[in-house]
Amino acid sequence: DAMVIQNPRYQVTQFGKPVTLSCSQTLNHNVMYWYQQKSSQAPKLLFHYYDKDFNNEADTPDNFQSRRPNTSFCFLDIRSPGLGDAAMYLCATSLFKQGLDTEAFFGQGTRLTVV
Amino acid sequence: AQKVTQAQTEISVVEKEDVTLDCVYETRDTTYYLFWYKQPPSGELVFLIRRNSFDEQNEISGRYSWNFQKSTSSFNFTITASQVVDSAVYFCALSEYGGATNKLIFGTGTLLAVQP
Repeated sequence: DAMVIQNPRYQVTQFGKPVTLSCSQTLNHNVMYWYQQKSSQAPKLLFHYYDKDFNNEADTPDNFQSRRPNTSFCFLDIRSPGLGDAAMYLCATSLFKQGLDTEAFFGQGTRLTVV
Repeated sequence: AQKVTQAQTEISVVEKEDVTLDCVYETRDTTYYLFWYKQPPSGELVFLIRRNSFDEQNEISGRYSWNFQKSTSSFNFTITASQVVDSAVYFCALSEYGGATNKLIFGTGTLLAVQP
């Protein structure tokens, strides 16, 4: 059973048109992450939520935003996609509490194409 | 700065051969985690192992084994008797230890092709 679910698997958007990618999890993990993986490159962390606390990486462009309305869901909003934003976007979750820190569990990713 | 280097971009082997994927890391932290993930063509990252910097014991899990050497900052991964299903991109990654996150610094990955 899928535990970290990303929808859609493939997304095509127009240059400059806002787009939202979604991620849901059934693991009840308190930390959720968004990674960007461009073709033939390593995944790169954009930001993460620890519970409701949002943590942006220093080099994440302002064009990328995120929302986490509840524990189970997290969204990635790209306000004005450019051609350079075409990539696979990976959502991940992990559980952190005193004495326990699990590894990250990844979804299957959403491949974004910008036309 | 933290950095992970996977010098092997692509490796091709014939089924049943053993193969070792190299990983070298840099960090100023005295405590940290190291990981290996597998990324098959379907795209998801599949967790294989996490090792904390306190534990330099090598680990074996079935056909997989890992060799962690702090002295050379390496965390190499060996697949014994490779199979076609092992074909994938393999990422080595590093993260801080003790924080509430898995903020992973990935290497650039090694594409392993196992030929029948």
